[in-house]
Amino acid sequence: AQTVTQSQPEMSVQEAETVTLSCTYDTSESNYYLFWYKQPPSRQMILVIRQEAYKQQNATENRFSVNFQKAAKSFSLKISDSQLGDTAMYFCALVGGKSTFGDGTTLTVKP
Amino acid sequence: GAVVSQHPSRVICKSGTSVKIECRSLDFQATTMFWYRQFPKQSLMLMATSNEGSKATYEQGVEKDKFLINHASLTLSTLTVTSAHPEDSSFYICSARSPVIQLAGATDTQYFGPGTRLTVL
Repeated sequence: AQTVTQSQPEMSVQEAETVTLSCTYDTSESNYYLFWYKQPPSRQMILVIRQEAYKQQNATENRFSVNFQKAAKSFSLKISDSQLGDTAMYFCALVGGKSTFGDGTTLTVKP
Repeated sequence: GAVVSQHPSRVICKSGTSVKIECRSLDFQATTMFWYRQFPKQSLMLMATSNEGSKATYEQGVEKDKFLINHASLTLSTLTVTSAHPEDSSFYICSARSPVIQLAGATDTQYFGPGTRLTVL
Protein backbone atom coordinates (compact mmCIF):
# COMPACT_ATOMS: atom_id res chain seq x y z
CA ALA A 1 0.00 0.00 0.00
CA GLN A 2 1.10 3.52 -0.73
CA THR A 3 0.85 6.31 1.80
CA VAL A 4 1.52 10.03 1.64
CA THR A 5 1.71 12.09 4.81
CA GLN A 6 1.62 15.86 5.07
CA SER A 7 2.08 16.66 8.73
CA GLN A 8 1.34 20.39 8.53
CA PRO A 9 -2.40 21.06 8.06
CA GLU A 10 -1.88 24.83 8.00
CA MET A 11 1.03 27.17 7.52
CA SER A 12 1.52 30.86 7.02
CA VAL A 13 4.38 32.98 5.71
CA GLN A 14 5.04 36.64 5.18
CA GLU A 15 5.17 37.89 1.65
CA ALA A 16 8.68 37.66 0.14
CA GLU A 17 9.85 35.12 2.70
CA THR A 18 10.61 31.44 2.22
CA VAL A 19 8.50 28.55 3.42
CA THR A 20 8.94 24.78 3.32
CA LEU A 21 6.10 22.29 3.20
CA SER A 22 6.86 18.76 4.30
CA CYS A 23 5.80 15.46 2.79
CA THR A 24 6.78 11.90 3.60
CA TYR A 25 5.69 8.83 1.75
CA ASP A 26 5.89 5.09 1.65
CA THR A 27 5.75 2.75 -1.30
CA SER A 28 7.00 -0.65 -2.32
CA GLU A 29 7.35 0.44 -5.94
CA SER A 30 10.86 0.91 -7.29
CA ASN A 31 9.69 3.21 -10.06
CA TYR A 32 7.55 6.15 -9.07
CA TYR A 33 7.00 9.86 -9.45
CA LEU A 34 6.33 12.56 -6.89
CA PHE A 35 4.35 15.72 -7.44
CA TRP A 36 3.28 18.86 -5.70
CA TYR A 37 -0.03 20.37 -6.76
CA LYS A 38 -1.60 23.58 -5.57
CA GLN A 39 -5.32 24.19 -5.29
CA PRO A 40 -6.19 27.89 -4.96
CA PRO A 41 -9.66 29.07 -3.91
CA SER A 42 -10.86 28.49 -7.49
CA ARG A 43 -10.32 24.76 -6.71
CA GLN A 44 -8.46 24.17 -9.98
CA MET A 45 -5.63 21.73 -9.30
CA ILE A 46 -2.40 23.11 -10.73
CA LEU A 47 0.82 21.16 -11.15
CA VAL A 48 3.63 22.92 -9.30
CA ILE A 49 6.55 20.54 -9.69
CA ARG A 50 7.34 16.92 -10.43
CA GLN A 51 10.23 14.64 -9.52
CA GLU A 52 11.19 11.29 -10.99
CA ALA A 53 12.34 8.98 -8.21
CA TYR A 54 15.25 7.66 -10.26
CA LYS A 55 16.71 11.17 -10.56
CA GLN A 56 18.97 12.30 -7.76
CA GLN A 57 18.91 15.93 -8.75
CA ASN A 58 16.22 17.95 -7.02
CA ALA A 59 13.64 19.47 -9.33
CA THR A 60 13.24 23.24 -9.50
CA GLU A 61 10.65 25.45 -11.18
CA ASN A 62 11.37 29.14 -10.76
CA ARG A 63 10.60 29.96 -7.10
CA PHE A 64 9.64 26.36 -6.31
CA SER A 65 12.14 23.66 -5.47
CA VAL A 66 12.05 20.31 -3.78
CA ASN A 67 14.30 18.51 -1.34
CA PHE A 68 14.00 14.88 -2.36
CA GLN A 69 15.53 12.45 0.12
CA LYS A 70 14.85 9.04 -1.36
CA ALA A 71 16.28 6.96 1.47
CA ALA A 72 14.25 8.90 4.01
CA LYS A 73 11.21 8.91 1.71
CA SER A 74 10.87 12.62 2.13
CA PHE A 75 9.78 15.14 -0.52
CA SER A 76 9.51 18.69 0.80
CA LEU A 77 8.57 21.77 -1.21
CA LYS A 78 10.35 25.07 -0.75
CA ILE A 79 8.70 28.25 -1.94
CA SER A 80 11.07 31.21 -2.17
CA ASP A 81 10.03 34.86 -2.32
CA SER A 82 6.45 33.96 -1.39
CA GLN A 83 3.74 35.87 -3.21
CA LEU A 84 0.13 36.51 -2.29
CA GLY A 85 -0.91 34.34 -5.24
CA ASP A 86 0.80 31.38 -3.61
CA THR A 87 -2.01 31.23 -1.06
CA ALA A 88 -3.59 27.83 -1.69
CA MET A 89 -3.92 24.30 -0.48
CA TYR A 90 -0.88 22.25 -1.48
CA PHE A 91 -1.04 18.51 -2.08
CA CYS A 92 1.84 16.10 -2.25
CA ALA A 93 1.17 13.15 -4.55
CA LEU A 94 2.86 9.85 -5.25
CA VAL A 95 2.34 7.98 -8.51
CA GLY A 96 3.65 4.46 -8.52
CA GLY A 97 1.08 2.29 -10.20
CA LYS A 98 -1.65 3.99 -8.21
CA SER A 99 -1.98 7.68 -7.42
CA THR A 100 -2.00 8.67 -3.77
CA PHE A 101 -2.50 12.20 -2.44
CA GLY A 102 -1.67 13.60 0.96
CA ASP A 103 -4.26 15.39 3.07
CA GLY A 104 -2.96 18.78 2.03
CA THR A 105 -1.38 21.82 3.65
CA THR A 106 -3.22 25.12 3.60
CA LEU A 107 -0.68 27.88 3.01
CA THR A 108 -1.53 31.51 3.64
CA VAL A 109 0.81 34.21 2.43
CA LYS A 110 0.38 37.36 4.49
CA PRO A 111 1.05 40.85 3.13
CA GLY B 1 -0.47 22.37 -23.50
CA ALA B 2 -1.88 19.74 -21.11
CA VAL B 3 -5.35 21.20 -20.78
CA VAL B 4 -8.21 19.19 -19.37
CA SER B 5 -11.74 20.52 -19.56
CA GLN B 6 -14.70 19.46 -17.51
CA HIS B 7 -18.35 20.16 -18.17
CA PRO B 8 -20.53 21.33 -16.58
CA SER B 9 -18.75 23.40 -13.95
CA ARG B 10 -21.85 23.52 -11.77
CA VAL B 11 -25.02 21.50 -11.76
CA ILE B 12 -28.06 21.52 -9.53
CA CYS B 13 -30.51 18.67 -9.84
CA LYS B 14 -33.45 17.12 -8.07
CA SER B 15 -33.11 13.99 -6.02
CA GLY B 16 -33.61 10.87 -8.11
CA THR B 17 -32.35 12.31 -11.39
CA SER B 18 -29.13 11.38 -13.19
CA VAL B 19 -26.29 13.75 -13.97
CA LYS B 20 -23.53 13.30 -16.53
CA ILE B 21 -20.15 15.01 -16.20
CA GLU B 22 -17.73 15.11 -19.12
CA CYS B 23 -13.95 15.22 -18.92
CA ARG B 24 -11.88 15.95 -22.01
CA SER B 25 -8.16 16.14 -22.64
CA LEU B 26 -7.85 18.93 -25.19
CA ASP B 27 -4.31 18.67 -26.49
CA PHE B 28 -3.12 15.19 -25.68
CA GLN B 29 -4.40 11.64 -25.72
CA ALA B 30 -5.20 10.28 -22.30
CA THR B 31 -5.05 6.52 -22.04
CA THR B 32 -5.96 6.81 -18.39
CA MET B 33 -8.39 9.13 -16.67
CA PHE B 34 -9.23 9.41 -13.00
CA TRP B 35 -12.31 10.57 -11.16
CA TYR B 36 -12.04 12.11 -7.73
CA ARG B 37 -14.44 13.43 -5.18
CA GLN B 38 -13.46 16.22 -2.86
CA PHE B 39 -15.21 17.53 0.24
CA PRO B 40 -14.48 21.09 1.44
CA LYS B 41 -10.95 21.55 2.73
CA GLN B 42 -10.20 17.86 2.36
CA SER B 43 -8.00 15.84 0.08
CA LEU B 44 -9.00 14.20 -3.15
CA MET B 45 -10.68 10.84 -2.80
CA LEU B 46 -10.07 8.60 -5.78
CA MET B 47 -13.31 7.08 -6.99
CA ALA B 48 -12.23 5.17 -10.06
CA THR B 49 -9.62 4.80 -12.75
CA SER B 50 -10.69 4.43 -16.34
CA ASN B 51 -8.64 3.20 -19.24
CA GLU B 52 -9.73 3.84 -22.78
CA GLY B 53 -11.77 0.98 -24.17
CA SER B 54 -12.01 -1.03 -20.97
CA LYS B 55 -14.11 -1.09 -17.83
CA ALA B 56 -13.29 1.31 -15.05
CA THR B 57 -11.62 0.13 -11.88
CA TYR B 58 -13.49 1.36 -8.85
CA GLU B 59 -12.03 2.02 -5.43
CA GLN B 60 -13.36 0.13 -2.46
CA GLY B 61 -16.62 1.57 -1.21
CA VAL B 62 -17.55 3.27 -4.47
CA GLU B 63 -20.75 1.91 -6.00
CA LYS B 64 -20.09 1.17 -9.65
CA ASP B 65 -23.80 1.00 -10.46
CA LYS B 66 -24.31 4.46 -9.04
CA PHE B 67 -21.25 6.12 -10.54
CA LEU B 68 -21.09 4.98 -14.14
CA ILE B 69 -17.85 5.72 -15.93
CA ASN B 70 -17.31 5.52 -19.66
CA HIS B 71 -13.96 6.15 -21.32
CA ALA B 72 -15.04 5.82 -24.92
CA SER B 73 -12.15 7.61 -26.59
CA LEU B 74 -8.62 8.74 -25.86
CA THR B 75 -9.85 12.24 -25.11
CA LEU B 76 -13.18 11.75 -23.36
CA SER B 77 -14.37 10.15 -20.16
CA THR B 78 -17.79 10.60 -18.61
CA LEU B 79 -19.07 10.13 -15.07
CA THR B 80 -22.80 9.62 -14.64
CA VAL B 81 -24.24 9.91 -11.17
CA THR B 82 -27.41 7.83 -11.33
CA SER B 83 -30.42 8.44 -9.11
CA ALA B 84 -28.60 11.22 -7.33
CA HIS B 85 -29.33 11.93 -3.68
CA PRO B 86 -28.35 14.88 -1.47
CA GLU B 87 -25.45 12.91 -0.01
CA ASP B 88 -23.95 12.78 -3.52
CA SER B 89 -23.55 16.56 -3.43
CA SER B 90 -19.85 17.22 -3.73
CA PHE B 91 -17.05 18.57 -5.90
CA TYR B 92 -16.04 16.09 -8.57
CA ILE B 93 -12.68 16.40 -10.31
CA CYS B 94 -11.30 14.46 -13.22
CA SER B 95 -7.71 14.11 -14.29
CA ALA B 96 -6.05 12.75 -17.39
CA ARG B 97 -2.72 11.06 -17.77
CA SER B 98 -0.67 9.81 -20.65
CA PRO B 99 2.19 7.38 -20.08
CA VAL B 100 3.67 8.47 -23.37
CA ILE B 101 5.75 11.58 -23.63
CA GLN B 102 3.53 13.78 -25.73
CA LEU B 103 4.35 16.93 -23.90
CA ALA B 104 7.76 17.75 -22.53
CA GLY B 105 8.23 16.04 -19.21
CA ALA B 106 4.63 14.92 -19.06
CA THR B 107 5.11 11.22 -18.57
CA ASP B 108 2.85 9.93 -15.84
CA THR B 109 1.80 13.43 -14.90
CA GLN B 110 -1.87 13.90 -14.10
CA TYR B 111 -3.49 17.05 -15.41
CA PHE B 112 -6.69 18.09 -13.74
CA GLY B 113 -9.95 19.47 -14.97
CA PRO B 114 -11.46 22.51 -13.22
CA GLY B 115 -14.00 20.40 -11.34
CA THR B 116 -17.78 20.14 -11.20
CA ARG B 117 -19.80 21.22 -8.22
CA LEU B 118 -22.84 18.98 -7.91
CA THR B 119 -25.73 19.98 -5.69
CA VAL B 120 -28.61 17.55 -5.28
CA LEU B 121 -31.75 19.05 -3.81
